[in-house]
Amino acid sequence: AQSVTQLDSHVSVSEGTPVLLRCNYSSSYSPSLFWYVQHPNKGLQLLLKYTSAATLVKGINGFEAEFKKSETSFHLTKPSAHMSDAAEYFCVVSDSGGYNKLIFGAGTRLAVHP
Amino acid sequence: DAGVTQSPTHLIKTRGQHVTLRCSPISGHKSVSWYQQVLGQGPQFIFQYYEKEERGRGNFPDRFSARQFPNYSSELNVNALLLGDSALYLCASSSTTGRVVEQYFGPGTRLTVT
Repeated sequence: AQSVTQLDSHVSVSEGTPVLLRCNYSSSYSPSLFWYVQHPNKGLQLLLKYTSAATLVKGINGFEAEFKKSETSFHLTKPSAHMSDAAEYFCVVSDSGGYNKLIFGAGTRLAVHP
Repeated sequence: DAGVTQSPTHLIKTRGQHVTLRCSPISGHKSVSWYQQVLGQGPQFIFQYYEKEERGRGNFPDRFSARQFPNYSSELNVNALLLGDSALYLCASSSTTGRVVEQYFGPGTRLTVT
C-alpha cells in the first residue's frame, strides 16, 4: 500500500531564509508524488508533481522538490521564504489503482516570521 | 474558466439528519472525487466518479453515497449524520483518471453537526 509521512507537523522560519518541508513515501512501485498547499479557509492548490521524469521538480511560487528513490524522500524546498508562504502543506501520493485516489500526509504547518 | 465550485459554503445540521453537498467540475473535466478533511488532518478519499460511474470508494460507511450527473456535476449525500461527520468536504475534478493526472480542488463545504 502507498503512504506518505510528513516528518514535521510544524516548521517556523524567518522571512528570507530557506524552507525545507520533509516527506518520506512508501510505495511498491514508481510513485506519482505531489505537494499541495492549503491557505486558511481556502481549497488545496497544486504546487508541483513528480511522475518519473526529472527527479528535480520545479513548481509554482519558487518551490521545488527532489525525488530520491534511495532515500524514499520527496522533500519540498524554497530558497527564500515569503510571508505569503505561511500555510499548510501536504505531501501526497497517488494510489496504484486504476483511478487517481490521492493519499495525503498529515500536513506541515509553515509559519513565516518577519 | 471557472474553477471547481462547491455549494453550500457552510452548513449546520443536527445529528440524525441528512445532508447533500454539490460540486461542479472544471469545464471539460469528466472525473470528480470527494474527500473529507477533519480539522487538523489531511484529506481522506471518499469517492471517485468518472463518466457517471463509481470508480473508487474509500473506507467510509454506507451512510455516505454519491452520484454524478450527465453534465459531470456531482452530489455527495450523507445520511444519519454523526458528530464525527463534522469536517471540510472537498471536491476535486480532473480531465480523466490515472495516477499521474492532476486533480483540481474546490474551496470545500464546511459541515458542522451539532
